[in-house]
Amino acid sequence: GDSVTQMEGPVTLSEEAFLTINCTYTATGYPSLFWYVQYPGEGLQLLLKATKADDKGSNKGFEATYRKETTSFHLEKGSVQVSDSAVYFCAAYSGAGSYQLTFGKGTKLSVIP
Amino acid sequence: DAGVTQSPTHLIKTRGQQVTLRCSPKSGHDTVSWYQQALGQGPQFIFQYYEEEERQRGNFPDRFSGHQFPNYSSELNVNALLLGDSALYLCASSLFSTRASVGEQYFGPGTRLTVT
Repeated sequence: GDSVTQMEGPVTLSEEAFLTINCTYTATGYPSLFWYVQYPGEGLQLLLKATKADDKGSNKGFEATYRKETTSFHLEKGSVQVSDSAVYFCAAYSGAGSYQLTFGKGTKLSVIP
Repeated sequence: DAGVTQSPTHLIKTRGQQVTLRCSPKSGHDTVSWYQQALGQGPQFIFQYYEEEERQRGNFPDRFSGHQFPNYSSELNVNALLLGDSALYLCASSLFSTRASVGEQYFGPGTRLTVT
């Protein structure tokens, strides 16, 4: 089955620092890829997505590019804010008879002023 | 536009009891999925309902069952609760067969279940 591997956390950054959270996947075919964010005490919010190779998803200053060659979908942000403190989950969706999202274990980000 | 709603927010049960969790999907969505999120882990897929039928099931025992109603809302039932069932249960809704939003699922705030 599909699997998603994320960079282990927690990650602590100073405000305005550059963020990278690594994500690689193993899947049948070419899945759609997602980043979800979970703020403390809340459910998951869709942050961005990419549905085919070389697509770049972006939202709220975050970006991730679907790299088929390296089966990766790393999340980046040029300048993090305290409000970005949350847990970030990478997820894959294969479709083609499999309707589930497969998640990584999550990476907790803490941004300090 | 109402998002995904879940009830109750928190629940405390005793081992061996049964529990029912409820979910209303985002307006316009017809598919509901349920996930279990243990502390410090990513969500794990339990099952998905579409057209009132279970379309796919994850690696969960038969103690976990569900239902979808004609208005697309859904219930998750867990029988014979174990301590290990303590987790955040997330409901996600989506629209089947929409190419533009393939795989895109919208999550509710979750129900925190504690089994003592």
